[in-house]
Amino acid sequence: DAKTTQPTSMDCAEGRAANLPCNHSTISGNEYVYWYRQIHSQGPQYIIHGLKNNETNEMASLIITEDRKSSTLILPHATLRDTAVYYCIVRVAPSLRSGGSYIPTFGRGTSLIVHP
Amino acid sequence: NAGVTQTPKFQVLKTGQSMTLQCAQDMNHNSMYWYRQDPGMGLRLIYYSASEGTTDKGEVPNGYNVSRLNKREFSLRLESAAPSQTSVYFCASSEGTSGANVLTFGAGSRLTVL
Repeated sequence: DAKTTQPTSMDCAEGRAANLPCNHSTISGNEYVYWYRQIHSQGPQYIIHGLKNNETNEMASLIITEDRKSSTLILPHATLRDTAVYYCIVRVAPSLRSGGSYIPTFGRGTSLIVHP
Repeated sequence: NAGVTQTPKFQVLKTGQSMTLQCAQDMNHNSMYWYRQDPGMGLRLIYYSASEGTTDKGEVPNGYNVSRLNKREFSLRLESAAPSQTSVYFCASSEGTSGANVLTFGAGSRLTVL
């Protein structure tokens, strides 16, 4: 299993970039890195994912190191509404019994507080 | 397009009572999941269904049963509720279970067992 390690909490000033790190040193070559966030106690919301290359969408950018052992989620201009728990997950490799299913496993994530 | 719908949103049970949490998705997804989230914790997988007609245990399946009723619906049943099952339950779905699939979550069902 590729486990992830994230800081428990971070804070960021509104309007500045928020850089959230994630370590996944045991990631396998065919496992994707995903980021989700959870605002208050709502259902988690997908942000972005990547395999090897850096990715960008309307919400964020994902920077994956060349050795794929870590990644950084970047919120370029954080707003108060970005205050949430951010989860970095790797799709866990399938067990023989699961028949090829990659099951997302969520840790505790990083609690990001954006302040005025 | 509602996405993933969970019912009920809130439920209070007494120890030993049974209940079923319902989940339905309208995205024609093949795979569905049930997670639970305890205060201050991440999500833990209870059961999942990779495709219609199949179900499999996740990390914390004890005390739960599931039914993949059809492609749209995946229910979670507590046969004899215990206080340890007080939690927020999230249903999710995805097109499949390969590594490139994105999960879409429901809003959650808050269950309290007294």
